[in-house]
Amino acid sequence: DAKTTQPTSMDCAEGRAANLPCNHSTISGNEYVYWYRQIHSQGPQYIIHGLKNNETNEMASLIITEDRKSSTLILPHATLRDTAVYYCIVRAGNTPLVFGKGTRLSVIA
Amino acid sequence: EPEVTQTPSHQVTQMGQEVILRCVPISNHLYFYWYRQILGQKVEFLVSFYNNEISEKSEIFDDQFSVERPDGSNFTLKIRSTKLEDSAMYFCASSANRGPAKNIQYFGAGTRLSVL
Repeated sequence: DAKTTQPTSMDCAEGRAANLPCNHSTISGNEYVYWYRQIHSQGPQYIIHGLKNNETNEMASLIITEDRKSSTLILPHATLRDTAVYYCIVRAGNTPLVFGKGTRLSVIA
Repeated sequence: EPEVTQTPSHQVTQMGQEVILRCVPISNHLYFYWYRQILGQKVEFLVSFYNNEISEKSEIFDDQFSVERPDGSNFTLKIRSTKLEDSAMYFCASSANRGPAKNIQYFGAGTRLSVL
């Protein structure tokens, strides 16, 4: 079973920041936090990952709390194309990804 | 940008027939994976493959399933005798074991398998 808890769904206005929370209170010291998304029934798309420091790339920012028990994925300026299911996954090394149900983000014009 | 390629995009087969789903991983990747997603359900791990052998498999990956890397580029999933419940999207993924993208799994677009 997935070790993370995410809200089932969220809405975001186009052009605004989308903040997607994730709880992972049982995360181990060697586990990273990964975020993927799935647009319709396409293959999961990697977004970003981190261990304990905040991370930013061209797609998003990842904020991890100091105790590492939760994190937030931030899409700074959401567009309609960001409508997708977003998965927060904790994993160590090259272990298999365990997908939960994720958060269905709807970006509204 | 390198990507994982899967063929065919859609496979229709009769129950009891054998199917082979094909994947071309990203060229310098050494870890390969198969996942599946039954319609409306979660993405589920099937098997991982490294150094020409299975490194991990789930309970779903029973004797009906097998994987192979027949040459230097392809990675295949074979279902020996398909059942109706094998109908799903099958995703291939690959990852590198070193470098800035170490351990990041990149997924293909998937093969939709329909068993009639």
